[in-house]
Amino acid sequence: NAGVTQTPKFQVLKTGQSMTLQCAQDMNHEYMSWYRQDPGMGLRLIHYSVGAGITDQGEVPNGYNVSRSTTEDFPLRLLSAAPSQTSVYFCASSYSPAEGSPLHFGNGTRLTVT
Amino acid sequence: AQSVTQPDIHITVSEGASLELRCNYSYGATPYLFWYVQSPGQGLQLLLKYFSGDTLVQGIKGFEAEFKRSQSSFNLRKPSVHWSDAAEYFCAVGAGKMVKAAGNKLTFGGGTRVLVKP
Repeated sequence: NAGVTQTPKFQVLKTGQSMTLQCAQDMNHEYMSWYRQDPGMGLRLIHYSVGAGITDQGEVPNGYNVSRSTTEDFPLRLLSAAPSQTSVYFCASSYSPAEGSPLHFGNGTRLTVT
Repeated sequence: AQSVTQPDIHITVSEGASLELRCNYSYGATPYLFWYVQSPGQGLQLLLKYFSGDTLVQGIKGFEAEFKRSQSSFNLRKPSVHWSDAAEYFCAVGAGKMVKAAGNKLTFGGGTRVLVKP
């Protein structure tokens, strides 16, 4: 059982480039989300999805797009990378979209934008 | 909107000593409260959670936390620390509303990094 799988583990981009961070879960979880982790700031919610075909913005959505065409996958797209997007990105899923259902995290993608 | 403060950025403890990590939250009603642990290079793992009822909550790996409404706190404790407890610990708060459409959104504190001395 793989759980939540994120690819790539590391990525370096130049300012203005675009890329997609992949997230896949094999637990048939209804809820998926993306967080970014910055030193001293904890994790901040970027986007989330309560089910296939449904997405919504979190606390820091600017510069990012998401889609949820299947239950398993929830890719995060950076449209035009900026140095401020240098961070560690975590995908998390839970069985239920309702609050309190334990979140399962991937191992993260470390992104550097130069 | 809710917020979470973890006042200690780093804590160093000796192996076998007790550990207490502080967490203060700001929210008008009774929130849902969580502690997660992050080992180096890994994602976060749930240690324990509080929704209602008994204010002392037991979790995995020998951790416990106590909800104190009067102090808006949810401190994490462990009586005897092991070297494998070296990690970063995050307190998180939810709005306390089990509405599916609202999503399982949590607000995280800034984290406390725990170093364990032999």
